[in-house]
Amino acid sequence: AQTVTQSQPEMSVQEAETVTLSCTYDTSESNYYLFWYKQPPSRQMILVIRQEAYKQQNATENRFSVNFQKAAKSFSLKISDSQLGDTAMYFCALWGSNYKLTFGKGTLLTVNP
Amino acid sequence: SAVISQKPSRDICQRGTSLTIQCQVDSQVTMMFWYRQQPGQSLTLIATANQGSEATYESGFVIDKFPISRPNLTFSTLTVSNMSPEDSSIYLCSVAGTTNEKLFFGSGTQLSVL
Repeated sequence: AQTVTQSQPEMSVQEAETVTLSCTYDTSESNYYLFWYKQPPSRQMILVIRQEAYKQQNATENRFSVNFQKAAKSFSLKISDSQLGDTAMYFCALWGSNYKLTFGKGTLLTVNP
Repeated sequence: SAVISQKPSRDICQRGTSLTIQCQVDSQVTMMFWYRQQPGQSLTLIATANQGSEATYESGFVIDKFPISRPNLTFSTLTVSNMSPEDSSIYLCSVAGTTNEKLFFGSGTQLSVL
């Protein structure tokens, strides 16, 4: 069974600062994908960033980057130069060979002006 | 990326009735999924919608309650049957991208059952 744990229910950050959201996971598979999704109040699930487990290089997408530690089964998201529009619920998710996406409980991020 | 149109965006329904949610994709996709997000909770997979065959349901979800159709590679429906207030949730359709390396979501259906 796959599990995803997000231990920070809520976080806040000042505009223009950097924040890191934590995620740990467990899976018995050797090949899988990890994702961070953003869900603003509009409830749309927006893909923020993706990491292939077989790649050692950490994924980056503009202001978003991850710290992927495969041995520790850790997958944190760093948001640099935080913007008000980054305020949302952030979900960490694991996608295995069965193509089923397992989500963490989410972290509510608030960016303060 | 796939463009997913989900309808209705929201509905308020009476107890005991049924609601059918539609999911239309702008390209043919192999895999389509339906998720439920209960208030303040994370997403839970209801079922995988299989084209030309019966859907594959996750533990805790049954076909009589959540019948799913997938007549072709671009369209699927989820019906929430005999609704109760406990069915009040957001229901989301999702599809795997062409290389099966990303999962995209529709905008969701906010369902409230009175």
